[in-house]
Amino acid sequence: AQKVTQAQTEISVVEKEDVTLDCVYETRDTTYYLFWYKQPPSGELVFLIRRNSFDEQNEISGRYSWNFQKSTSSFNFTITASQVVDSAVYFCALSARTGANSKLTFGKGITLSVRP
Amino acid sequence: GAVVSQHPSWVICKSGTSVKIECRSLDFQATTMFWYRQFPKQSLMLMATSNEGSKATYEQGVEKDKFLINHASLTLSTLTVTSAHPEDSSFYICSARVIQAGTYEQYFGPGTRLTVT
Repeated sequence: AQKVTQAQTEISVVEKEDVTLDCVYETRDTTYYLFWYKQPPSGELVFLIRRNSFDEQNEISGRYSWNFQKSTSSFNFTITASQVVDSAVYFCALSARTGANSKLTFGKGITLSVRP
Repeated sequence: GAVVSQHPSWVICKSGTSVKIECRSLDFQATTMFWYRQFPKQSLMLMATSNEGSKATYEQGVEKDKFLINHASLTLSTLTVTSAHPEDSSFYICSARVIQAGTYEQYFGPGTRLTVT
């Protein structure tokens, strides 16, 4: 069975602060994908990143960075110099890497509020 | 890029009526489509998985006779909420999956907000 735990439920920061969103996962699959999605108030899911379980290199994309540590089954997401537009719900998700029946399992989401 | 549309984007219906939600992959053919339900301030919960031309596979606890899924073509899946009740009010999101360069890619629609009065 797969499980994604996002222990933080709500985070509030002031603009320009850095913020890290935590994600811990459980899976019996040896190969899998990890994802982060952003859901702004409009509701539409915005894909942010997919990480293959084979690839533990950290990734940076502009103000966003991701730290994948297989040893602790964590895939944390950091926003540097946060902005008001970053306010949204962020979901971490997991799926098996192969198999037509692989499904996405979502965490409960973290509501991030960035205050001006 | 791959685009998935949903129609309608929002709908209000009376208790006891049925509502149909469409999910279309606009520029690709989807091997599989998924339907999720999201209650306020909660996560996305998978309701069912459907493959074109075959019966949908429902997750445990989801009533297949209440949530009818039809996947008639590689670009269209529909979810019909039959005899809707206020507790069915929710945000319904579909996603379409396709194999690209040997990898499964899954794209989400913008969601449909259902309110049952």
